[in-house]
Amino acid sequence: DIQMTQFPISLSASVGDRVTFTCRASQNIGNNLNWYQQKPGKAPKLLIYAASSLQSGVPSRFSGSGSGTDFTLTISSLQPEDFATYFCQESYSIPYTFGQGTKLEIK
Amino acid sequence: QLELQESGPGLVQPSETLSLTCTVSGGSLVSTTYYWGWIRQSPGKGLEWIGSIYHSGNTYYNPSLKSRVTISVDTSKSQFSLRLSSVTAADTAVYYCARALIVNYYYCLDVWGKGTTVIVSS
Repeated sequence: DIQMTQFPISLSASVGDRVTFTCRASQNIGNNLNWYQQKPGKAPKLLIYAASSLQSGVPSRFSGSGSGTDFTLTISSLQPEDFATYFCQESYSIPYTFGQGTKLEIK
Repeated sequence: QLELQESGPGLVQPSETLSLTCTVSGGSLVSTTYYWGWIRQSPGKGLEWIGSIYHSGNTYYNPSLKSRVTISVDTSKSQFSLRLSSVTAADTAVYYCARALIVNYYYCLDVWGKGTTVIVSS
């Protein structure tokens, strides 16, 4: 199985900050990488697919980049509703492994 | 607007079979663009992809669960189902059903149900 490692595990930031999350795959996955946002008690929500394609309805302050093994999700200017946990998922091969998540907290 | 809703027992006895159903409303199960899937989340294992099914019945399973998992579809009822046999406490989790979007061969989970908690305990 492909292993997905996210770092940092947690991140503190303030409204208006620019933040970047990192996800690393254990092997080359091309751009087969998705990002999800999850708030407590809720299901994950798709933000980015194919590493950099913004899902319909997701604000443009979210962007994704990377290919191969290293990927990033950037929020250009944090809004209060963005404090949540963010997960990456490889979609290169079954079992489509998720990362362990990065929790974004208010500073 | 497409909605997915999981249903099934919240408590399952060890060694028994977990059975969940996902009802799809506001859209059709029959589409060339979508698969339908199950994912679970537990504090110990995080998010884990269980498997997906196409409306024709073609299935893809997580190899670590393949010997115990069956996913089926009933297009007449707009439902797809999960069966997980021989459960243990390690199968305790929140179970989600989701729509899997295939875009230019990219796979992602674009619509999720709210999730249902299943506890395995005697």
